[in-house]
Amino acid sequence: DSGVTQTPKHLITATGQRVTLRCSPRSGDLSVYWYQQSLDQGLQFLIQYYNGEERAKGNILERFSAQQFPDLHSELNLSSLELGDSALYFCASSVAGTTDPRIYNEQFFGPGTRLTVL
Amino acid sequence: AQKVTQAQTEISVVEKEDVTLDCVYETRDTTYYLFWYKQPPSGELVFLIRRNSFDEQNEISGRYSWNFQKSTSSFNFTITASQVVDSAVYFCALSEANGNQFYFGTGTSLTVIP
Repeated sequence: DSGVTQTPKHLITATGQRVTLRCSPRSGDLSVYWYQQSLDQGLQFLIQYYNGEERAKGNILERFSAQQFPDLHSELNLSSLELGDSALYFCASSVAGTTDPRIYNEQFFGPGTRLTVL
Repeated sequence: AQKVTQAQTEISVVEKEDVTLDCVYETRDTTYYLFWYKQPPSGELVFLIRRNSFDEQNEISGRYSWNFQKSTSSFNFTITASQVVDSAVYFCALSEANGNQFYFGTGTSLTVIP
C-alpha cells in the first residue's frame, strides 16, 4: 500500500459526460501528479500540483482540468468525454518542491481509476 | 529536452534466466533522479529504486541490480534468476531535481515463462 488513495476504482460513463476523479496523497507529500495510461499511449504525464498551485503541465487536453485543495487532495475533471478517453488514470504523490538533491523525490502511485467511456 | 527511451518493448525469458532491461535517458540538467517502477498484471505501479545523478554506484537488492552509467546516459536493470512473479511491465523514469516533472519511458513488458 503506497499510502495514496484514489476514488473511484472503476467508472463507466457515456460519451459527452463529465466525471471527477479524486486523489488523496500520502501524508506529508505536497505534490500530486496525474497520469493517463492507455493501451496505445503508455504512461502520459498530465499535470502536477504542488501545495495547491499548478507546477507543471504535460499532455493534458483542454477538456481536462485539475485542482489541488487546501487539504492537499486533488481532483481531475474530465469533460465532454470521448471514447478515446477510456484509460487508467493514476495519481501519484511526492515530497517534491525542493532543490535539495539529498531529498528524494520518488513518486508513490495510487491504485488508479479505470475509466470506461461507452 | 528530457527524454527516456526503453527500446525493448517486450522480452520473454525462461524462468531462472537472467534478463537486463535497458534504459537510456537524455537531460541537460546536472542534477536529476532516475527511477524504475514495476507494473504487475494487477495494474498498480510499484516503486523499485531511485538513483540521483551524483551517485553512480551500482546497487544490488536481492535478485535485482541496477547499473547507472552517466557516460552512456544509461540506467539498466538486471533481474538475476528470473521468476514467474517478475512478469510485469517495467518503467524507467527521469525527474528534475526538484521533482517538478517526471518523464517515463514507454515501458518494457517482461514475460517469464515457467
